[in-house]
Order: sequence, then structure tokens, then C-alpha cells
Amino acid sequence: DSGVTQTPKHLITATGQRVTLRCSPRSGDLSVYWYQQSLDQGLQFLIQYYNGEERAKGNILERFSAQQFPDLHSELNLSSLELGDSALYFCASSAIPSGGGDGYTFGSGTRLTVV
Amino acid sequence: AQSVTQLGSHVSVSEGALVLLRCNYSSSVPPYLFWYVQYPNQGLQLLLKYTSAATLVKGINGFEAEFKKSETSFHLTKPSAHMSDAAEYFCAVIANNAGNMLTFGGGTRLMVKP
Repeated sequence: DSGVTQTPKHLITATGQRVTLRCSPRSGDLSVYWYQQSLDQGLQFLIQYYNGEERAKGNILERFSAQQFPDLHSELNLSSLELGDSALYFCASSAIPSGGGDGYTFGSGTRLTVV
Repeated sequence: AQSVTQLGSHVSVSEGALVLLRCNYSSSVPPYLFWYVQYPNQGLQLLLKYTSAATLVKGINGFEAEFKKSETSFHLTKPSAHMSDAAEYFCAVIANNAGNMLTFGGGTRLMVKP
């Protein structure tokens, strides 16, 4: 157990729908990161929050959004889902904004299947 | 610009043979370097990390990696492969030319033959 908790583990939904993925960071970590892992794109950074504020954006689509709440858990919202959004979505956390020499601690991921 | 490149998307070795997974980075200053492993249907687990304290880094499960600045490399090795080492391995970097975010290479799938 890495200490980073992601729910749900699996999600199957139809095209055009909206889903919310949830992440609880490791205790004491203020930074949360979201990554997408797909066969064709590999591991892509989506977005980072630090202590409730958006800190960095990567290759995140406009249909996707995220937030970090006062208790530091984060949610990734995916809307108007397309078949190509099917992927494994990882959440990671770190104590400091960039992770530095400790890197990030990853959760076990949410596998999203859009049908 | 590609910050980290893994040579070989698939590597196959026999049980007991040397494992060598290659990783090269591009950065004007020494970055932080990491190797992560992903077992089937699981998340990413940190194997080892380089943070400039020592060029030869030992990690979990008998893996080690050597930082070579002159070659901009951080190859992962293990003297003797076990069947349980079969997984996907990712080299990753935190560097100022990658927005100081953890940026991953394309991954190398390691297969171990009995």
C-alpha cells in the first residue's frame, strides 16, 4: 500500500457521459498530480495541485478538469467522454511542489473504459 | 523536447541472466532520475532514485542503476533475472527542461524466459 488511495478502481461508462475520479494523497503530502496512461500516448502528465491551488498543467483536454479540496483530496472530472479517453488514470502525491529528489508516490490507478 | 528516452520497448532475457534496461536523459543540469516498475494491473512502484549523493544507486529487488553524466545515461541493471521481475519499467526525470514535473520515458517491457 503506497498510501495514495484512488477510487474507483474500475469504471465503465458510455460516450458522452461524465465521470469523477477521486484521489486521497499520502498523509502529509500537499501536492497531487494526475497522469493518464494509454497504449498510444504512454504516461502523460495532466495537472498538478499544491495545497488547494492549481500549480501546473500538462496535456489536459478542456473537457477535463480537476480540483483539490481543503482536506487535500483531489478529484478529476472527465466530461463528454470519447472512446479515446479509455485509459488508466493515476494520481500521485509528494510533500513538496516538484517532488524533488523523492519523486512522487503513485496510487494504483483507476481504469476507465468508455464504450 | 524529449527529456528521457528508453531504448528498447521490449527486452527478453532468460532466468538467471543479466538484466540491462537503457535510459538516456537530456538536461543541461543534472536532473533527479528515477526508475519505476509497473507489474500487470498494478500501479507504479519506485525502484530507485538518483539525487546526486552517489552515482551508483541501489534499489529494491536487487536492481541498481549508475548515473553517467558524460553519457547522459541512467541504465538499470540486475545481475540475475527472476521470473518475478517480468513487468514494465519506466525511467523518469525531474528536470528544469521538463517543467520540473516528473516526466516518463516510453517504458520497457521486460520478459523473463524460464
